[in-house]
Order: sequence, then C-alpha cells, then structure tokens
Amino acid sequence: EPEVTQTPSHQVTQMGQEVILRCVPISNHLYFYWYRQILGQKVEFLVSFYNNEISEKSEIFDDQFSVERPDGSNFTLKIRSTKLEDSAMYFCASSKEVFGDGTRLSIL
Amino acid sequence: KNEVEQSPQNLTAQEGEFITINCSYSVGISALHWLQQHPGGGIVSLFMLSSGKKKHGRLIATINIQEKHSSLHITASHPRDSAVYICAAAGNQFYFGTGTSLTVIP
Repeated sequence: EPEVTQTPSHQVTQMGQEVILRCVPISNHLYFYWYRQILGQKVEFLVSFYNNEISEKSEIFDDQFSVERPDGSNFTLKIRSTKLEDSAMYFCASSKEVFGDGTRLSIL
Repeated sequence: KNEVEQSPQNLTAQEGEFITINCSYSVGISALHWLQQHPGGGIVSLFMLSSGKKKHGRLIATINIQEKHSSLHITASHPRDSAVYICAAAGNQFYFGTGTSLTVIP
C-alpha cells in the first residue's frame, strides 16, 4: 500500500536556526499538505500545495514558513528562523487521506 | 472560534460496548473526515464522507449535511480501538476537531 514517508522522525534544533522537514508523498497524488500538532492540542492546517504552488494557507503559515517540491518527489517544509512555539509534530499528507508518521520538532 | 466541535472529549468503555462519537461543524465543506491517532502520534484516515453512511468492519460513519453533523460508531468495541478519534472538515482548508480520546477496557 502506498505510503507517505517523512524524515527525520525527530529533529532537535536551536532557536533561531533554520529547519527543513522532508516528505515523500505518493507519486501520483496531486495535492499535498502540511499540518502541525502542538503537544496536547488539536491538529492544525498549515498549507496545501497543488501543481507546484501553494493553493491554500492558514494564518499560522506566515513568512517564516515556505514549502517546495524541489525535485518532483520530495515535498519540504522550511521554517526560516525557528521559535520555541514552533515545537510540534508536523505531519505531511498526500491527498487528504494519507498521512505520514510525522516529524517531531523540538526547539531548544 | 471552533469550526469543528467534537463530543465527548474523553470516553471510557467496556469491551464489547457500542460507541458513538459526535461531530458538528459550522463551515461549508466538500467532505468530512474521520481520523484515528494512536499514542505514538501517527494518523490514519478512517473515512471520508460527503453524504450518507459508510461502513468499514466494525466502524460506521454517518453524515447529515443539512444539520452539519456527523457521527462515528464503533460496534463491539475492543481494547485495540483505544486511540484518539478526530473529526476534520474539508473546505477551503482542513479544520480539525480537538479529538475524542477513547479507552476501551477489557
């Protein structure tokens, strides 16, 4: 069964550093998504991506965030200058139904 | 403001019980999703509904578009059903409920 693969599973970064979270979505899907879940809180939509561009983004997805599909397979989420409140689980999804296992981001 | 409301927040059931989790939403949607999140954090999609009812094994999901309400039912519950169940409304973006934490006791 096709899977969405996220790497790394856990990322620890110093505050102010840039971080890139990686996802390999299902190849023949067209829509890709990033979500985050702060510990103990609900899952929140960040951004959707279609046809190599952002189709929707939430208020959370500010100028500190960017997404790319650099090579037709990887789908990345970059946080430019991390803050403590960026600590969360970040999920990638391929279409709206297939989720990756998530990357736990810890900002120190 | 919560676009998606779930109830109950927490639910403990004896093995074998019939379980219902409710979801109400206030946004216009193209579909309503039920997701399952296990203690390790991984999320699995259970159902995507735009009308009526779907059944998969012991799980049944229903939606009433006019009332903006959906329910997830688990028949003959089992300890392995213990997880957080999340309702998510898919409109322009995805709006998530806060989840229902289900514990099924043997």
